[in-house]
This record gives sequence, C-alpha cells and structure tokens, in this order.
Amino acid sequence: GAVVSQHPSWVICKSGTSVKIECRSLDFQATTMFWYRQFPKQSLMLMATSNEGSKATYEQGVEKDKFLINHASLTLSTLTVTSAHPEDSSFYICSARDRQTLVSPLHFGNGTRLTVT
Amino acid sequence: GNSVTQMEGPVTLSEEAFLTINCTYTATGYPSLFWYVQYPGEGLQLLLKATKADDKGSNKGFEATYRKETTSFHLEKGSVQVSDSAVYFCALRSSNTGKLIFGQGTTLQVKP
Repeated sequence: GAVVSQHPSWVICKSGTSVKIECRSLDFQATTMFWYRQFPKQSLMLMATSNEGSKATYEQGVEKDKFLINHASLTLSTLTVTSAHPEDSSFYICSARDRQTLVSPLHFGNGTRLTVT
Repeated sequence: GNSVTQMEGPVTLSEEAFLTINCTYTATGYPSLFWYVQYPGEGLQLLLKATKADDKGSNKGFEATYRKETTSFHLEKGSVQVSDSAVYFCALRSSNTGKLIFGQGTTLQVKP
C-alpha cells in the first residue's frame, strides 16, 4: 500500500533554533501534502496545505513565517519550524494523497515529536 | 462550517465486549466520512470510509454506516480485542475544499 515516510520521528532542540521535518511519499506521487499538528490528547489541527511547485496555503492563525513549508518535488514536502519556542512543542504529522487518485483517502506519516527546551 | 464531534473518552471495555463510538458531523455539500486509528506512538491509519449516504464502511470487524438523516457515522465492533486499544478519530472530507476535518479522538482501552 501507499507509504508516507516522515523524518525525524522525534527531535529535541533548544529554544531559538530551527528544525526541519521531512515528509516523503515513497511509492506514489503527491501533488498535495498536508501538515497537521496534534496537541496531547487532542485532535489533529490542519496547519497548511502544501502544493508542489507553488506556495503553501496556511490555515487561519498559523504563522507562515514561523512554519515554513516547501514542496519542491512530487514526493517531498518539508516543514521548518523557525526560531522554535517551547510552545511549539507538539506532534507534527504529514499526509499525502496519490495524484493518480484524487478522491482517495490521505496516507499519513508516523509523525514527528518535537520538544523545544 | 464543517465540524466533527465524537463521544468523549476514554472508553474502557473488557475483551469481547461490544463497542460503539459515536460520531456526528456538520457539513455543507456531500462530505466523505472516515474513521482513522492511531496506535500508541504511531501515525494515523485509515480504518474505514464511506463516500455517500447509506454506505457502510467495514474493516477488521469494525463498521460504520453513513447516516445523512442523523448526520452520524458511529463506529461499531461486535467483539473487541486487547489489540484494538488505540485512539480512534472520526473525520470528514469536505466536498468543497477537499480538506480533512478531524474529531477530537476517542481513546479505547480494552482490558483482558
């Protein structure tokens, strides 16, 4: 089945540094990828929609200058948390849809646990 | 706007008990409905889906029926196992925007 690989699975960084999270579709091409954030014991909140070759679309309340998204190819999207602060600590999950089947469900990565100290 | 509401957890059951996790939604247009499962320390996996009214999604003994008249998509399983312990998310995909909207998740704990 379709696989989405997310890396790293966990990362600890110091306040003020930047962290990059990668999301790759391993066996399919994804024109669109989505980035979610999950707080403990809460649901997934959509942060942004990443479109290959164009700018990402951010949800209301998400700072685009803080959460930089790049979707340079049909199999890779990256999320960079810039100047991270402890309140950015969270579980970040990406998902992707096979471009060949636009009505198919999303395939999710295993998530990245970010801890900012 | 579009939204999904799930019953609050945690839900604690004994093995072989019957499971129901309620899910209701609010949406414009004709959304598709999904149940995702998140096992401890893992990402989300699609459990089942339904794309139109009266459709029944089923997988691994779980099933849910898309009820347009009650705007519901309740998850059921006749006999749960310890291995079913996880967090279950109900979700809808808007037919207008294509975005996936999640409920808050329901933790299921099955005891032997």
